[in-house]
Amino acid sequence: DAGVIQSPRHEVTEMGQEVTLRCKPISGHNSLFWYRQTMMRGLELLIYFNNNVPIDDSGMPEDRFSAKMPNASFSTLKIQPSEPRDSAVYFCASSLRGLFEQYFGPGTRLTVT
Amino acid sequence: QKEVEQNSGPLSVPEGAIASLNCTYSDRGSQSFFWYRQYSGKSPELIMSIYSNGDKEDGRFTAQLNKASQYVSLLIRDSQPSDSATYLCAVRRPGYSTLTFGKGTMLLVSP
Repeated sequence: DAGVIQSPRHEVTEMGQEVTLRCKPISGHNSLFWYRQTMMRGLELLIYFNNNVPIDDSGMPEDRFSAKMPNASFSTLKIQPSEPRDSAVYFCASSLRGLFEQYFGPGTRLTVT
Repeated sequence: QKEVEQNSGPLSVPEGAIASLNCTYSDRGSQSFFWYRQYSGKSPELIMSIYSNGDKEDGRFTAQLNKASQYVSLLIRDSQPSDSATYLCAVRRPGYSTLTFGKGTMLLVSP
């Protein structure tokens, strides 16, 4: 079975540019999570969807960040405009609601210069 | 007090020894506990989940939960160099459907 799929795996962009990260959850999973990981802050939850609906976006750092889930098999995390401090690894994870075990994608390493 | 705390390490053990990784949490009433392994440059991988007080064994891994003392631990028996990784503890706090992660403990197993 395919796991969580993320693209791109690496993204290098200049400050001020728009960045879009993509995620395909495991088929049948109805909860999706976006995380950011840095050495300083560890793994931080940005936003959580259940059945394509955003449930908790309290972790989204600023209005520059937005996330969508137009259907059960696709989600995007957009940063506009990007800043150097956004450089991090962004993970997407999915789970079956009620089971709480989350399965992570390979991540997108974002570098903003 | 941090919600989920782990010693950052590194914890160094020789090959074949038992590695003991510990995690404490602040929210009494937390109900679900998970251990993830993360190799350098890779994503977190779920290795154990535990929901009830006591021990849960899976191969060389044993998770231990003590809700009264608010700690959860992971024992790795017969440690191998391939076990060298960062181990993340995750807790589902009461009233939440999401997980709160600790910052992880780096384990180094020397041949």
